[in-house]
Parts: sequence; C-alpha cells; structure tokens
Amino acid sequence: QQQVKQSPQSLIVQKGGISIINCAYENTAFDYFPWYQQFPGKGPALLIAIRPDVSEKKEGRFTISFNKSAKQFSLHIMDSQPGDSATYFCAAHSGGGADGLTFGKGTHLIIQP
Amino acid sequence: DTGVSQDPRHKITKRGQNVTFRCDPISEHNRLYWYRQTLGQGPEFLTYFQNEAQLEKSRLLSDRFSAERPKGSFSTLEIQRTEQGDSAMYLCASRSGLREQYFGPGTRLTVT
Repeated sequence: QQQVKQSPQSLIVQKGGISIINCAYENTAFDYFPWYQQFPGKGPALLIAIRPDVSEKKEGRFTISFNKSAKQFSLHIMDSQPGDSATYFCAAHSGGGADGLTFGKGTHLIIQP
Repeated sequence: DTGVSQDPRHKITKRGQNVTFRCDPISEHNRLYWYRQTLGQGPEFLTYFQNEAQLEKSRLLSDRFSAERPKGSFSTLEIQRTEQGDSAMYLCASRSGLREQYFGPGTRLTVT
C-alpha cells in the first residue's frame, strides 16, 4: 500500500522556470511533511518541511503549498537552476505512530540551461 | 564535519556471506533510523532506536537482519546470509527531539 503518491515521475524545466512536484497522502494521522533532495550516490538532504496548521511555507526559492482537505501538498522551485537537477522526494510522518518517514517514489528533475 | 557518517560507503559481497554496516549519528541526536533504498524508489523505513532501545521494526526487516545501538551512540546493521535481493543503498538518519531527520551518505551493498 503506497501511502504517499508523488508525481510526476520525471520533469524537465527550462532554466529560470518554475518546477512543481505534487504529492498526495492517505493517512490522516500524518502531521509533518518534509521534502528531500538527493543527488546521485548521496543521501537525501532535507530541503523544507511543513505542518498541516499552515497552508504555505517559503524558504528562499523553495515553497511548500499544503491543502489539508484534499490531502495534497506540493513543492515549487522558483527560478530553477541547473544545480537544482536532482531527485526530489516528498515524505510524511505521524507523530503518534511508527516513527519512520513514509516516502513517495521520487521525481527526477532536470533543469535545462 | 558534524553530519551523519556511514561506513563503508560501498560493499560488494557474495551471496550467503554476512555483512555489517556502521552509522555514526549527529552528536546528541538520541533517535537513529535505518532505511533501505532500491534504484528508482524512495527510502523505506527499516528500524528505529531511541537511545539504545530499538522501538520499532518494519516488516521489511526479516530475521536475517539485526540492528544494534549498544551505548546509544553509533549503530550497526548486520545482514546474515545475504541474498541478491538485499542489494540496495542502506541509509542511516538521526534526529533530536525535533521532527527533522538528517541522513548520512549511505552504504551501497551489491550482492553477487
């Protein structure tokens, strides 16, 4: 059972454009939603995270939008740069349940110069 | 460097052999996690320690897998009688009382 569904699987964006990655979850007990960036051969690096009491969080060029009623959240990368080319994972966590993160399957993002 | 470290970074072993990986968490992080990541997939939770106590194990963690964190600092993950299906990246993460989990660089296991 896939509890966090991520789309698209791959994404190509022109330099300077906006990259948008979407995730949907099923478990209403989830109450913490981080995004991770992973480069080939490296471990995931925490980018930004949100809790369901806010609808948006912005850190630099990265913004999370959260829709609690729809059980969806998304990552927006503004002014996308070639250095942003990586795989991005959304994840979810329940403070009251099993303590591991539940990850989506990832989005392979390519920023074309 | 004060991040999560893992050793070795790469391990090639023959089917049936035992392997052991080590994880050193960020200092003062009392929670430590092991995940497995296969190609093209997100990390999957295996097990979790709070200090030296192993509090949660995924059903992915078969009887051939064992993890320890004897003094509440570093942790080891051992796989006995390795199988080709065990080939994956094994990731360690740690956190303090806050929710953020920080990952190490991983150990890439190849079983031939």
